[in-house]
Amino acid sequence: ELKVEQNPLFLSMQEGKNYTIYCNYSTTSDRLYWYRQDPGKSLESLFVLLSNGAVKQEGRLMASLDTKARLSTLHITAAVHDLSATYFCAVVAVLSYQLIWGAGTKLIIKP
Amino acid sequence: DTEVTQTPKHLVMGMTNKKSLKCEQHMGHRAMYWYKQKAKKPPELMFVYSYEKLSINESVPSRFSPECPNSSLLNLHLHALQPEDSALYLCASSQAQGVDEQFFGPGTRLTVL
Repeated sequence: ELKVEQNPLFLSMQEGKNYTIYCNYSTTSDRLYWYRQDPGKSLESLFVLLSNGAVKQEGRLMASLDTKARLSTLHITAAVHDLSATYFCAVVAVLSYQLIWGAGTKLIIKP
Repeated sequence: DTEVTQTPKHLVMGMTNKKSLKCEQHMGHRAMYWYKQKAKKPPELMFVYSYEKLSINESVPSRFSPECPNSSLLNLHLHALQPEDSALYLCASSQAQGVDEQFFGPGTRLTVL
């Protein structure tokens, strides 16, 4: 059974700092997604990572995928307050094609 | 049009009421999903429709009844709900089931009294 683990679950940081959110998963998959959710809102797709070594960047966020290590990272560079949100990773289970979600990382960026 | 729409945005209902949630997409996607999300938790998959046929039912109680009238529309019929069913209900769609990025609607915030 595929399990997805995110850490940290909660992160409070100052503006201007860098940090990384980790997403580990337990069995083989070649498809991983990162989503953002603002309080009370829906899920916004950030990145789709489809192959080993994939790296995608959008503004201050960069996501990468290492399928051999079963690890994805979401790196935040020079954080700004607007990036405060909960970030979820989700992995496609190979047999069922269902999305298996991490618990989410609540990120608070203080001015 | 890259949008999934949901109505209503908010719904308050008693335990004896019958109501429906609606979802629509015009992206030509052939898979549509219902998720339930409780506060501070990830979404939980409820149902998947693929090519207008129910593909996955994640052991959801029968008080939730999905319907897919056509490839663009997805309904969730609610009857005799319990207070613990209060949650954010999210609809999503993707090009095909499972293998493609899912696009989420804004959700319906449901409160059961």
